[in-house]
Amino acid sequence: DIQMTQSPSSLSASVGDRVTITCRASQSISSYLNWYQQKPGKAPKLLISAASSLQSEVPSRFSGSGSGTVFTLTINSLQPEDFASYYCQQSFSSPRTFGQGTKVEIK
Amino acid sequence: EVQLLESGGGLVQPGGSLRLSCAASGFTFSSYAMNWVRQAPGKGLEWVSAISGSSGSTYYADSVKGRFTISRDNSKNTLYLQMNSLRAEDTAIYYCAKDIVVIPTASDAFDLWGQGTMVTVSS
Repeated sequence: DIQMTQSPSSLSASVGDRVTITCRASQSISSYLNWYQQKPGKAPKLLISAASSLQSEVPSRFSGSGSGTVFTLTINSLQPEDFASYYCQQSFSSPRTFGQGTKVEIK
Repeated sequence: EVQLLESGGGLVQPGGSLRLSCAASGFTFSSYAMNWVRQAPGKGLEWVSAISGSSGSTYYADSVKGRFTISRDNSKNTLYLQMNSLRAEDTAIYYCAKDIVVIPTASDAFDLWGQGTMVTVSS
């Protein structure tokens, strides 16, 4: 199975900050990497597919990049509604695997 | 309205069985693969199973293979997960999730999720 490792596991940031979350795959997954946002008590929401393709209605302050084994999710100018947990997920092979998550908290 | 609505969760004893359902509406159900993803209390996401749009192909995580069975009824726009020989470690919120493709491929992603149904395995 492909292991997905996110860093950091949690971070504290202020409104307006730029935040970067890193996701590393245990082997090359090309660009088959998705990012999800999950707020407490809610279902996950797809933000970005194929490493950098922003889903419709997702604010442009979110962006994704990377290929191979290292990927990043960047949130420019963090907003109050962005405080949540974020998960990466590889779709290169089965079983689909998720990173352990990164919790973005208010500083 | 485009939505997924899970049902069937509850408390079950170890070794017991449960069947989850996921009713889909607002999109052409048969045109998309469907998935089950679970989340243990306070933990991360774990993909459980997938099924192609035509039910021709099914996929399972090793942790549930041989115990869980995914199926779908495209005439009823409903996805199912039959869970047998349940264990304490199966305790989780179970989400159904719509894929963006008809057959799980390397380009897939889960673009619509239900609200989840809680399964608790305990004596």
